[in-house]
Order: sequence, then structure tokens, then C-alpha cells
Amino acid sequence: EAGVTQSPRYAVLQEGQAVSFWCDPISGHDTLYWYQQPRDQGPQLLVYFRDEAVIDNSQLPSDRFSAVRPKGTNSTLKIQSAKQGDTATYLCASSFTGGDYEQYFGPGTRLTVL
Amino acid sequence: GEQVEQRPPHLSVREGDSAFITCTYTDPNSYYFFWYKQEPGASLQLLMKVFSSTEINEGQGFTVLLNKKDKRLSLNLTAAHPGDSAAYFCAVSEDSGTYQRFGTGTKLQVVP
Repeated sequence: EAGVTQSPRYAVLQEGQAVSFWCDPISGHDTLYWYQQPRDQGPQLLVYFRDEAVIDNSQLPSDRFSAVRPKGTNSTLKIQSAKQGDTATYLCASSFTGGDYEQYFGPGTRLTVL
Repeated sequence: GEQVEQRPPHLSVREGDSAFITCTYTDPNSYYFFWYKQEPGASLQLLMKVFSSTEINEGQGFTVLLNKKDKRLSLNLTAAHPGDSAAYFCAVSEDSGTYQRFGTGTKLQVVP
């Protein structure tokens, strides 16, 4: 069974540029999470979906970040006008509600904003 | 808001010694608990998941303790070896379909 896949694996931007991250969850998983992990810190939730619906985006900086999951499968996280403070690894995870209550994490996208 | 505090932030032990990491959480609705290992540049590797009803869980080379009364979750790596050197994170969630709230992490170094 394929795991959670993410692309790109690395991104380097100048401040003010835009970037998109893509996540393909495990097939059949209805819940998809995006976490931000700054260097030497624990992951922090940005947003999560159940199918195509946003369940919680309260930690997503809405002025510059957006996330969609239009068909309830793949998801895209976008940063408009990146700032140096956005430098972090962006982790995608997926799970199946009512399953083994485990989240399966992708390899992450490491973003550096210069 | 609800928080998960993890101690110590850095830990250095000699090969063969034990390494003890503790998390305290504030959310009384926490029901699922997790420990992850993260090697440099890698994603999170699940070490163990526990239900709220289980107090002691043993894995390969480690023990997880849950004290729900004190809202404390601990990881004890017994007889640590250099391959255990990594960052360790605890995480808690209210149920299987909600997000996990992570601790601040512990960087463990096992010295030969």
C-alpha cells in the first residue's frame, strides 16, 4: 500500500513569492491534515479536512495561506507572499475515521524563505 | 488554549543507560496518546499509540507510561543505543478523527 506522498520535497523562495504544496493521502483515508513544523519545534496543525470539507482552519493564517481538497482526495496548500517566518517543514498526514486512530505522515516539504 | 509541554528539550545519555522523557497536557478530553521518533531530515515515525484506559505499554526497547490523573505521558527508552539518537515528540488527541496536538520535542543524543 502506498503511503502519503508530498511534493515538492524542497522549496526555496524569496520573500513575497508564492508557493504551492501538494499532498496525496493514502487511498480510502477520509481525513487529511496539514501541519507546520518550524525547525527544532513540534508540528502544529494548520488545517484539516474530512472528505472535501474543512473541519478546522483556525490556525491557518488566512491572509496568506489557503488550502483546498476539492474532491476529497488530494490536497493543495498555498502560501501567497511568503515571509521568512514561514520557513518550516510542511507535513501532510491522513487517517481513516473509525479506523486505527493513527495518522500516517508524508515525508514533508522543507520550505526556506530567504 | 490547550497545551502539551515536553521535558527535557535536550537529553544526552551514555549507551546502555535509560532515557526518560515526559509530557504533561491540559486538555481533559484527551483520549489518544502517541510517541513519535523523528530522525534529522525525516518525517515522523510512530513508536507507540495508547488509549486512555491503558497505563503501561511496552514496545521494543521502551516503555510508555500514562497517568491520566496527573495528565502525564512518559517515554522510557531502556538500554539506549546510538541508533536511538533523534528527536522525540509526544502527541495527544481527543478522538480518532481529530488532529493531534504535539509536544515541543526532546532531542536525544546517545553517546557510545
